Amino acid sequence: KAGVTQTPRYLIKTRGQQVTLSCSPISGHRSVSWYQQTPGQGLQFLFEYFSETQRNKGNFPGRFSGRQFSNSRSEMNVSTLELGDSALYLCASSLTNGGWNIQYFGAGTRLSVL
Amino acid sequence: GQQVMQIPQYQHVQEGEDFTTYCNSSTTLSNIQWYKQRPGGHPVFLIQLVKSGEVKKQKRLTFQFGEAKKNSSLHITATQTTDVGTYFCAVNNNDMRFGAGTRLTVKP
Repeated sequence: KAGVTQTPRYLIKTRGQQVTLSCSPISGHRSVSWYQQTPGQGLQFLFEYFSETQRNKGNFPGRFSGRQFSNSRSEMNVSTLELGDSALYLCASSLTNGGWNIQYFGAGTRLSVL
Repeated sequence: GQQVMQIPQYQHVQEGEDFTTYCNSSTTLSNIQWYKQRPGGHPVFLIQLVKSGEVKKQKRLTFQFGEAKKNSSLHITATQTTDVGTYFCAVNNNDMRFGAGTRLTVKP
């Protein structure tokens, strides 16, 4: 099986712009979660989608949003980018939602905001 | 979601020495997962612990879940350079929470 695919791998944006990141989960996986990873804050949970519905949301401002499509692919959007949004954004898929499921991570999208 | 504290933040060892990282929670956990992230890579699932007092082994890695299900540890015996990376514990109540991670470096 192909793993979790995230595109693009690298992105450079300027403050005030918006960005959309894409995640294709492992075939058959219906849950997709997004994380922000920075040296200072570690791995921070953004949100989880299951069956096209946001199931859980972390403590991030409304500028961070996401959605999931019927084929389980997911997108994450960040509007009005700030310098502090520079980070590695990781997507993880699992078979279903819930705490017992193993998370399979993609390689991530490294976002730099200038 | 519940918080999980992980220590130490960094650990530098000589190849062949042992290594341990600890995760602690103030509340009882239903389960705990461990992940490893190699430098420049992404987190990769290692193991899940569910039962009180559970001990699982993967070659040189030993994972323990405390009797009260509030703490867990990962112990590596005789570290090798291939063990370098950051080890994370993760707990899930309503959302997934990762510990801060322990970054392991190994000097050959």
